Amino acid sequence: QLQLQESGPGLVKPSQTLSLTCSVSGGSIRNDNYYWTWIRQPAGKGLEWIGRINISGSTNYNPSLKSRVTMSLDTSRNQFSLKVTSVTAADTAVYYCATAGVPSTGMFAPWGQGTLVTVSS
Amino acid sequence: IVLTQSPATLSLSPGERATLSCRASQSVSSYLAWYQQKPGQAPRLLIYDASNRATGIPARFSGSGSGTDFTLTISRLEPDDFAIYYCQQRANWLYTFGQGTKVDIK
Repeated sequence: QLQLQESGPGLVKPSQTLSLTCSVSGGSIRNDNYYWTWIRQPAGKGLEWIGRINISGSTNYNPSLKSRVTMSLDTSRNQFSLKVTSVTAADTAVYYCATAGVPSTGMFAPWGQGTLVTVSS
Repeated sequence: IVLTQSPATLSLSPGERATLSCRASQSVSSYLAWYQQKPGQAPRLLIYDASNRATGIPARFSGSGSGTDFTLTISRLEPDDFAIYYCQQRANWLYTFGQGTKVDIK
């Protein structure tokens, strides 16, 4: 059974780069049925899809974040990563990794537990 | 595509029926999912492709609709069902979520 776990710094300074990693267990990141996804949620607010990547390296990003976001895969470690550049307080949120593709590309399951990232000096 | 959920809050008692609505600003075909989220937890998938229950989801949860109008129904609310519910769509490669409906205890 696929399981995901986020990791990374909980505090990032304004204008710096936020970097998170999602470790995948119970399955291979090489599986071409999956889209590896990042979603975030500011405190007390709704969910925002950040983007996705698949094993071929194809990426899709939310247009609202596209200029600042990069996703990548590390097949040797069965992990995928997120980088968000030039962060501001508006990027403070719980960041979730998730997967889409099985049984449908229209849904996300499973999700990681989430990791809180605070942008503050 | 914008998803609008209604109502924002639904106050009901255990055992009652809950009907949650999600309306899309344009057709999303059947690419509509529903999630349940409790405080401090990640969202949990309930329904995908408008009407398919995810693995392990009780039969009291059902989804319906297509195009622009969708409904999540909880036939008889149990204490564990009081939470926030989000709908989510996929149009081509772009995903968006609704703003959520909070189901709380009356």
